[in-house]
Amino acid sequence: DTAVSQTPKYLVTQMGNDKSIKCEQNLGHDTMYWYKQDSKKFLKIMFSYNNKELIINETVPNRFSPKSPDKAHLNLHINSLELGDSAVYFCASSLGGTESYEQYFGPGTRLTVT
Amino acid sequence: LAKTTQPISMDSYEGQEVNITCSHNNIATNDYITWYQQFPSQGPRFIIQGYKTKVTNEVASLFIPADRKSSTLSLPRVSLSDTAVYYCLVALVPDKLIFGTGTRLQVFP
Repeated sequence: DTAVSQTPKYLVTQMGNDKSIKCEQNLGHDTMYWYKQDSKKFLKIMFSYNNKELIINETVPNRFSPKSPDKAHLNLHINSLELGDSAVYFCASSLGGTESYEQYFGPGTRLTVT
Repeated sequence: LAKTTQPISMDSYEGQEVNITCSHNNIATNDYITWYQQFPSQGPRFIIQGYKTKVTNEVASLFIPADRKSSTLSLPRVSLSDTAVYYCLVALVPDKLIFGTGTRLQVFP
């Protein structure tokens, strides 16, 4: 069983479009995250979310919004896509407290904006 | 937020022990030290976490001196499959994890 899964694996779209990336975890974790890894391989956290609190990295444009229908899912919606949004997006999850440093990552979604 | 400094790359041969040192001079009192591994086209994978002294698990050991201004990840008897990028992170809370450039480890036969 895949612990953290993402769909789609690849996403190619044009500037200005709106797209979503889905993430599901079957680990029973309380907290989920979205990360962006750019072409230089820098991995940056975008959001962390549990059923009580959404923490947003202040550098993330408000075109990006996480949506959590339930504890096991955290989808990423992106509006008005720009060329600079091209990157690999990773979803992750973890338990709470100090165990949150052990995060389980999904396989990533490679987004290409043309 | 504590910034980390690691070597950009390291080479090793199969069967050798590899030690990757990370410098984090401005680590805060309550920061934890965490190491992740990332293979190409995959998400990072948690290796080990520590606060002080030594931590060991089935994969690696983490050595942290008393001043906590650095840490060393030790991989015993590496194999080809250990070729990956290794990230050192320090953070007070998990949603403040900052991944740096990491250390690219290449293991040769």
